[in-house]
Parts: sequence; structure tokens; C-alpha cells
Amino acid sequence: SQTIHQWPATLVQPVGSPLSLECTVEGTSNPNLYWYRQAAGRGLQLLFYSIGIDQISSEVPQNLSASRPQDRQFILSSKKLLLSDSGFYLCAWSVGLAGVRETQYFGPGTRLLVL
Amino acid sequence: DQQVKQNSPSLSVQEGRISILNCDYTNSMFDYFLWYKKYPAEGPTFLISISSIKDKNEDGRFTVFLNKSAKHLSLHIVPSQPGDSAVYFCAANSGAGSYQLTFGKGTKLSVIP
Repeated sequence: SQTIHQWPATLVQPVGSPLSLECTVEGTSNPNLYWYRQAAGRGLQLLFYSIGIDQISSEVPQNLSASRPQDRQFILSSKKLLLSDSGFYLCAWSVGLAGVRETQYFGPGTRLLVL
Repeated sequence: DQQVKQNSPSLSVQEGRISILNCDYTNSMFDYFLWYKKYPAEGPTFLISISSIKDKNEDGRFTVFLNKSAKHLSLHIVPSQPGDSAVYFCAANSGAGSYQLTFGKGTKLSVIP
């Protein structure tokens, strides 16, 4: 069966510091991978998605970036965090087959607090 | 422009009764719809989905209804249990080959024992 891991679970960082959140998926090959953010009192906002290694699409312009160095690894980064980057960050995966209806499966999330 | 709308931010239901969560969408290209359940500080869990070729899909206590002409779908939970208390998100996809899900803002369901 497939599992998705995210770490760390919780992170408190000062403004201006760098960020690296990691997500890995097990039990599947060539998944589509996604980074979402849920800000307080708001819905899920898609930040990035990837359909393959080094294939990243950005949905929202911001000071965050994403990378996919391996098939089942997705990393969310920032060089300098802003207060507005605080939120709950979720990684998700989907099967990634052409013609297959899109169901995404989410990881446990990382709570980021920027002070 | 919010393409998937959940107009009720919260809902309270007595244990054993029916919970009905509603969702409206504006994009006529959406043809696959999903419901997710989310507990605090956890990732959303996939519950049930429905394709636009159907008007109903059932899985145990959960049933999703789709009214394409009204661009409306609903999730029915019968009977409601205290463990169902969570935030429920409606999501939509615009077809095979489209990788993105568009989410509503969620409805917080509280099931009162």
C-alpha cells in the first residue's frame, strides 16, 4: 500500500530564515506530487505540482520554491521566510496516469509558525 | 473567483441523525468531484467521489449526490457519529488529464452525542 510522509511535523522559524520541508511517497512509482498550504480559517491553496522529476509547476507567485530531486521526493523551500508564510503545509500524491480521474492523497502535514 | 463554494462554514447535528453538507460549483468543465474529511493538525482523508456521469454514489454511511444542472453536490452521512466531527472539504477536477483539484473552504461538522 502507498504511504506518504512529511517532516517535520511542526516548525517554528524566525522571519528571514530559510525553510526546507520534505515529502516522500512509498509504494508507488511516477506519482504526481503536490504542495498545498492551508492558512488559518481558509481552504486549501495549491502551491506547486509536479508530474515528474524536475517538472514543477507553480500556481501562486511567492517566495517559496519546490524541487523534485527523486521520483518520490518533493521538497518545499524558501530562502527567506515571511510572517505570511505561516500555515499548515500539506503534501499530496496522485496516481499520475493519463486518463485516470484525479484523486489526491494527503500526508500528515507540517505546521509552520514564522515569528 | 471561487469556483467551488461551501457556503456553510459550520454545521451541528445530533448523533444518529443525518448530516447534509453542501457544495456548489461554477465551472461547467468540472466533471469529477470528491469529498475529504480533515481532523485538526492532520492531512485531509479522501472519503468518496463521484463522476459527472452519475448522480449518486454510496459507500457505507456516506452518500454523495450530484445535480449537474444546478451545479450542486451534497454529502449525506447517515447515521452521524461523534467521530464524524471534522472539517469536510468538497473538491472538483476538470477531467482526465487535468492534474489539479479545486477545493472549497470547508464545512466544520460537529456531531453532538
